[in-house]
Amino acid sequence: QQQVRQSPQSLTVWEGETAILNCSYEDSTFNYFPWYQQFPGEGPALLISISSVSDKKEDGRFTIFFNKREKKLSLHITDSQPGDSATYFCAASAWGGSGNKLIFGTGTLLSVKP
Amino acid sequence: EAAVTQSPRNKVTVTGGNVTLSCRQTNSHNYMYWYRQDTGHGLRLIHYSYGAGNLQIGDVPDGYKATRTTQEDFFLLLELASPSQTSLYFCASRDRDEQYFGPGTRLTVL
Repeated sequence: QQQVRQSPQSLTVWEGETAILNCSYEDSTFNYFPWYQQFPGEGPALLISISSVSDKKEDGRFTIFFNKREKKLSLHITDSQPGDSATYFCAASAWGGSGNKLIFGTGTLLSVKP
Repeated sequence: EAAVTQSPRNKVTVTGGNVTLSCRQTNSHNYMYWYRQDTGHGLRLIHYSYGAGNLQIGDVPDGYKATRTTQEDFFLLLELASPSQTSLYFCASRDRDEQYFGPGTRLTVL
């Protein structure tokens, strides 16, 4: 059972466009949602995160939009650059409950064409 | 900056073989994790630990053992490796809300 779902599986955008990566979850106890970025040959690294008390989190060109009622969130990458080409994982956790582990989605492979 | 190292980086073994994957973190984080990464499945948690001598069962533990010998060292053991365990394995340590991942070990079971 996949508790965290991501779409699309792969996405191609042109340099300068906005890439939108989607994520949904099932467990209403989840309250922390990080996005990890992974380049080929490397381990994932934390990119940006949001808690369930917020509906938006911005860090430079990266923004998370969170809809608690619909159990959905999205990562927007504005002014996409070829260096943003990577796999992006949405994850979720219930910090404070069974909150010692993250549940990861299956990832979105982003390709930014120059 | 957090540092997590893994060894070996690549390993090939045969079905029924005995494999140990090693992970070391140098930041004294309490929590450490072992994941496997497979296309179509993302990252799945095998085992984790919150300190030396402690072990917690993850989401896909079958066929794997693990041992946390010190604050720094966490080992993943495959005692009778099977082809289904061919995968990319990541170790991570956790500081507050962030997990720091190692570079991964690619394991092939023939």
